[in-house]
Amino acid sequence: DQQVKQNSPSLSVQEGRISILNCDYTNSMFDYFLWYKKYPAEGPTFLISISSIKDKNEDGRFTVFLNKSAKHLSLHIVPSQPGDSAVYFCAASARTSYDKVIFGPGTSLSVIP
Amino acid sequence: DVKVTQSSRYLVKRTGEKVFLECVQDMDHENMFWYRQDPGLGLRLIYFSYDVKMKEKGDIPEGYSVSREKKERFSLILESASTNQTSMYLCASSLYRENTEAFFGQGTRLTVV
Repeated sequence: DQQVKQNSPSLSVQEGRISILNCDYTNSMFDYFLWYKKYPAEGPTFLISISSIKDKNEDGRFTVFLNKSAKHLSLHIVPSQPGDSAVYFCAASARTSYDKVIFGPGTSLSVIP
Repeated sequence: DVKVTQSSRYLVKRTGEKVFLECVQDMDHENMFWYRQDPGLGLRLIYFSYDVKMKEKGDIPEGYSVSREKKERFSLILESASTNQTSMYLCASSLYRENTEAFFGQGTRLTVV
């Protein structure tokens, strides 16, 4: 039973538009959330994170929103660029077991020029 | 730049062989991790180490062991490779035990025949 879910395996967006990647989690103990980006034949790279004490964190074109009551977070990319085409993994951890970061299955984003 | 290097990009091994996957990081990080990535399952933690000669099981340690004799090197060992261990293996390191931001290697695609 997956604790971190990314229900959209893939997403296509036109260049310049907004990309919204969604993530749901089931474990209410999770209090730190991360997004990683992965290009083919490369390891994942850290993108952005958010603590449960916040509901929004922004870094350039990337913003993560956290809705704790719904156990939902989303990653917004504005504007989307072709170089953003990659697989995006949502991940979560709990203060009591930070060593165990639980990853979602990933969403493959294609940004069409 | 943090560099995490995995010794092989591709490996093909026979069922029953003992397999060693090597990982080296150059940033003096305390923590090192081994994950496997399978389609639809995201990244699953096999083992991690927060200090030399220290190791802890992740979520799927069965059939694997690890070794950390030096801070910069973390090895994953498949005692007797089986076909269900065919996967992408990813090594990561992080500065803090909380693994708030992990740096990944490029991955090793292991095929067991």
